[in-house]
Amino acid sequence: GAVVSQHPSWVICKSGTSVKIECRSLDFQATTMFWYRQFPKQSLMLMATSNEGSKATYEQGVEKDKFLINHASLTLSTLTVTSAHPEDSSFYICSPNYGGTEAFFGQGTRLTVV
Amino acid sequence: AQKITQTQPGMFVQEKEAVTLDCTYDTSDPSYGLFWYKQPSSGEMIFLIYQGSYDQQNATEGRYSLNFQKARKSANLVISASQLGDSAMYFCAMREGFVYGNKLVFGAGTILRVKS
Repeated sequence: GAVVSQHPSWVICKSGTSVKIECRSLDFQATTMFWYRQFPKQSLMLMATSNEGSKATYEQGVEKDKFLINHASLTLSTLTVTSAHPEDSSFYICSPNYGGTEAFFGQGTRLTVV
Repeated sequence: AQKITQTQPGMFVQEKEAVTLDCTYDTSDPSYGLFWYKQPSSGEMIFLIYQGSYDQQNATEGRYSLNFQKARKSANLVISASQLGDSAMYFCAMREGFVYGNKLVFGAGTILRVKS
């Protein structure tokens, strides 16, 4: 299957600071990356879809100015949580659009804002 | 309306026994795919099994099988010979059509606990 590397696996930051999460597809070119968010004891919800070379599309209720997505190359997509607040504490996980009959995920990033 | 419904918040099963995790789905797209993932406490999403809407036979992967009942819109996961390591959260997910690639909608999940 596809190899997806997400970094960092966990991060603690102070309220008001920004955090960048990287997602790399190591063995194939991903023109599209899906970013999901999972609050504690809840399911995964799609936040946004990034497309290489174009603007990301955001799901309803997700602030695009708060969650900045950059998909500058076919192997790297980044999610930056700007001016993070405690309510942004969550598990963020990426999934490149691989096609086929599997969907692969990064290892996930557990963000805690204090 | 919920696109994926998992009605069992938690399940217990005795080690070495089989367990069925329920999943129903709702879509009007004739082309769709159904996935099951295991999520241990580490958070990683482990792919278990896939069923395409046009697949004639139920999918199987080792100890995992998917009981696909298209008319009833159900896609239950059956784990045979449960092991202690099977204790985790299990998610059913759906991809609608192929236009959006593998963009998935997830159910609420079922926590499975295997007892020794």
